[in-house]
Amino acid sequence: DAGVTQSPTHLIKTRGQQVTLRCSPKSGHDTVSWYQQALGQGPQFIFQYYEEEERQRGNFPDRFSGHQFPNYSSELNVNALLLGDSALYLCASSLVLAGAMNTEAFFGQGTRLTVV
Amino acid sequence: KNEVEQSPQNLTAQEGEFITINCSYSVGISALHWLQQHPGGGIVSLFMLSSGKKKHGRLIATINIQEKHSSLHITASHPRDSAVYICAVNLQGAQKLVFGQGTRLTINP
Repeated sequence: DAGVTQSPTHLIKTRGQQVTLRCSPKSGHDTVSWYQQALGQGPQFIFQYYEEEERQRGNFPDRFSGHQFPNYSSELNVNALLLGDSALYLCASSLVLAGAMNTEAFFGQGTRLTVV
Repeated sequence: KNEVEQSPQNLTAQEGEFITINCSYSVGISALHWLQQHPGGGIVSLFMLSSGKKKHGRLIATINIQEKHSSLHITASHPRDSAVYICAVNLQGAQKLVFGQGTRLTINP
C-alpha cells in the first residue's frame, strides 16, 4: 500500500514564476492538507481539501491556491514566486470518520522548493 | 507565545539513555500527535493520542489533558533515533494541525 506520495521531490524556480506541486493521498484517505516548512521551523498550515473543496485556510496569501480531484489527489499552486517561498512543502492525508477529521495524519516526503 | 511549545529545543545524549521530550499547549485540543522528521524532510507519525498513554516498541507517549502537557519518552536510545521530534495538536473545532518548533535529538554511540 503506497503511502502519501508527492512530486516532484525537488524543484528550483525563478522569482515571479509559478509552480505546481502534487500529492496523492494514502489509499482510502479522502482529506489532504498542505503545510509549508521553512528551514529550522515547524510546519505551517496552508489549507485543507475535502470533497474537492477548500475547508480551512491558514494565514497565506491568495498566491497560494489548491485543488482536489475526484480521486482525492491534490495540487498546490503558488503564483508570483518570492524568495521567501523557498521551503519544504508537505502534504498530509487523513480520513473523515463519522464527521470527525481528527484522525491520524500520514505525511509525504515533501517537495523542497528553492526560489532563486 | 506559540500555541504549542516544546522543550528542549536540542538534546544530545549517549546511546542507551532514557530520553524525555516535553510538549505544552495553551489551547483546547481534540488530539495531540507526536511526529518524527529525519534529514531530508519526510515526517512519520509516531502517536496520536487524546488521553492517557500509548506505547510502541521503545517509544512511550503520555498526555495530561488537565495540565495541557504531553511527553514523549524513548527507552534504551539508539543512534538511529536521532531525528527531529515534533509535537502537533488538532485545535478543537478546527481541522488543521498546529505544530511545535520541534526538538532536535542526537544520540551518540
